[in-house]
Amino acid sequence: DGGITQSPKYLFRKEGQNVTLSCEQNLNHDAMYWYRQDPGQGLRLIYYSQIVNDFQKGDIAEGYSVSREKKESFPLTVTSAQKNPTAFYLCASSVNRDYSNQPQHFGDGTRLSIL
Amino acid sequence: AQKITQTQPGMFVQEKEAVTLDCTYDTSDQSYGLFWYKQPSSGEMIFLIYQGSYDEQNATEGRYSLNFQKARKSANLVISASQLGDSAMYFCAMRGVYDKVIFGPGTSLSVIP
Repeated sequence: DGGITQSPKYLFRKEGQNVTLSCEQNLNHDAMYWYRQDPGQGLRLIYYSQIVNDFQKGDIAEGYSVSREKKESFPLTVTSAQKNPTAFYLCASSVNRDYSNQPQHFGDGTRLSIL
Repeated sequence: AQKITQTQPGMFVQEKEAVTLDCTYDTSDQSYGLFWYKQPSSGEMIFLIYQGSYDEQNATEGRYSLNFQKARKSANLVISASQLGDSAMYFCAMRGVYDKVIFGPGTSLSVIP
């Protein structure tokens, strides 16, 4: 079955530590996205990528970094500069803008907490 | 800049009644798409319905319909015949050019038996 796999499901970060959240898709989608969701809140866009080796900052990129070396993979690193990283992180993908009516597909999310 | 506004943090509806969830948006793009997603307490995101900016007719998908008023920049979701399983968070989202997709803050819907 095609889909998006996020790992791990739960992650704990120590002070001053960088952590990386994995996102892999086998849907052959061009665009991939990372969102942050705080309790009872909406999804805020962190980074997104339209094609391999290219990505753009979203609305809350500070303290985060990404890479897009392969079409299937879009890992998110939460750096020590992100002072309040505790949240639910969702990865999504979609076909490119030529099919703009197609919805995003989402992974099951990663819950990140501070130790 | 793009922005989505959902002014109803929480809504209650009686089972079998219809409910409208509001969504207004702001964009300078001429071509854009509007989406509604449902998020149950389990956290998964479920796509419900899509409306394109050039679509002249309101979208419908089963019990879901979208009341699209382009001049007012509004895209309200109408759920007919509410069911207990409709209790969830509902998010309005917009996709503009360059594939950027942003979400509104969401509306929590509770269906009362």
